[in-house]
Amino acid sequence: DSGVTQTPKHLITATGQRVTLRCSPRSGDLSVYWYQQSLDQGLQFLIQYYNGEERAKGNILERFSAQQFPDLHSELNLSSLELGDSALYFCASSPTSGRANEQFFGPGTRLTVL
Amino acid sequence: TQLLEQSPQFLSIQEGENLTVYCNSSSVFSSLQWYRQEPGEGPVLLVTVVTGGEVKKLKRLTFQFGDARKDSSLHITAAQPGDTGLYLCAGSPTNDYKLSFGAGTTVTVRA
Repeated sequence: DSGVTQTPKHLITATGQRVTLRCSPRSGDLSVYWYQQSLDQGLQFLIQYYNGEERAKGNILERFSAQQFPDLHSELNLSSLELGDSALYFCASSPTSGRANEQFFGPGTRLTVL
Repeated sequence: TQLLEQSPQFLSIQEGENLTVYCNSSSVFSSLQWYRQEPGEGPVLLVTVVTGGEVKKLKRLTFQFGDARKDSSLHITAAQPGDTGLYLCAGSPTNDYKLSFGAGTTVTVRA
């Protein structure tokens, strides 16, 4: 158990819909990262938040957005869903000092868009 | 094009055999990490290597960071079925803060 929690575990929805994925980082970690993993693209970095502020952006679509709240949990919002958005979505958190690039991953949310 | 190239993509061996997975790049990294991921679960951090030429051992797993900090390898001795999984290398180039992942090597150890 990494200490990172994600809900829900599974999500099935239809094209055009909007969903919200939730992540709680490890106790004391200020950074939260979101990744998308699909069979053909591998693990792709989407976005990072640090203590409530956006820190880095990767290959995140405009239809996707995220935020980190004062209690440090984070939400990833996916809208106007398409079939190709079906994937595993992982959240990770990292220590605030020392080896800040070491990331601890949650169990993931499997999104299926029908 | 992946910043980190892993090889081979797939590896299937018999229990008790040895295996090596490679992670290569043309970029210099301040550190490299190795993760293992099992189906339907999140990647789990195995090790971080920081210094060029560094060798770290974790039981039957040996990790090496290249002298120029552009490549790394993972060697498993006497593999066991429990070593089965997707092995991912990851790192941040010295001129970039973001962590990039290789495409991974799927290792299957047959009993």
